[in-house]
Amino acid sequence: AQSVTQPDIHITVSEGASLELRCNYSYGATPYLFWYVQSPGQGLQLLLKYFSGDTLVQGIKGFEAEFKRSQSSFNLRKPSVHWSDAAEYFCAVGAKNQGGKLIFGQGTELSVKP
Amino acid sequence: GAGVSQSPSNKVTEKGKDVELRCDPISGHTALYWYRQSLGQGLEFLIYFQGNSAPDKSGLPSDRFSAERTGGSVSTLTIQRTQQEDSAVYLCASSLEGLNTEAFFGQGTRLTVV
Repeated sequence: AQSVTQPDIHITVSEGASLELRCNYSYGATPYLFWYVQSPGQGLQLLLKYFSGDTLVQGIKGFEAEFKRSQSSFNLRKPSVHWSDAAEYFCAVGAKNQGGKLIFGQGTELSVKP
Repeated sequence: GAGVSQSPSNKVTEKGKDVELRCDPISGHTALYWYRQSLGQGLEFLIYFQGNSAPDKSGLPSDRFSAERTGGSVSTLTIQRTQQEDSAVYLCASSLEGLNTEAFFGQGTRLTVV
């Protein structure tokens, strides 16, 4: 069965520090991978996605993620975190033959210390 | 409107009552999705529409849940004989064609069953 695991429920980083949020997936076919961000009181916003090609993908707000097939991972990174990055981050997996269905991880809540 | 619109934004209902949740997707988007976000369960897929058809309704938790889409636009999610465990935020998303095009999420409807 398809599944997505985000091992870290809550992470706290200092402003200006680097960030890595982990995501592991279990999927039989070639996955489509996504990272979404949800700020308090806001809807989900797409940060970046991977379908094929270059395994390092760039997204909005200075985020990037790297697809590692051998590790079944799609970790999200940012070199320098800003206070406005505090939010909940969701990794999701889908597949072309699944229509539009996305399987989401449980989410990682990011807090940023001044 | 410019984004996905959901109504009502909040709904409190008594156990056993029926509720209808509405989603207005972005104009021209053929794909529409319903998800449920609850504490401890994360984001769960409910149903996917392509046009007015629902090729994947595998996430509907019971036969008390149903959804329809008319005119390739507005969708309604109906929950009959609501139970306390139905309390959650119900999110709607739409995309231009399907998974390979970005899904835009609404702000959600917060349903509380008392």
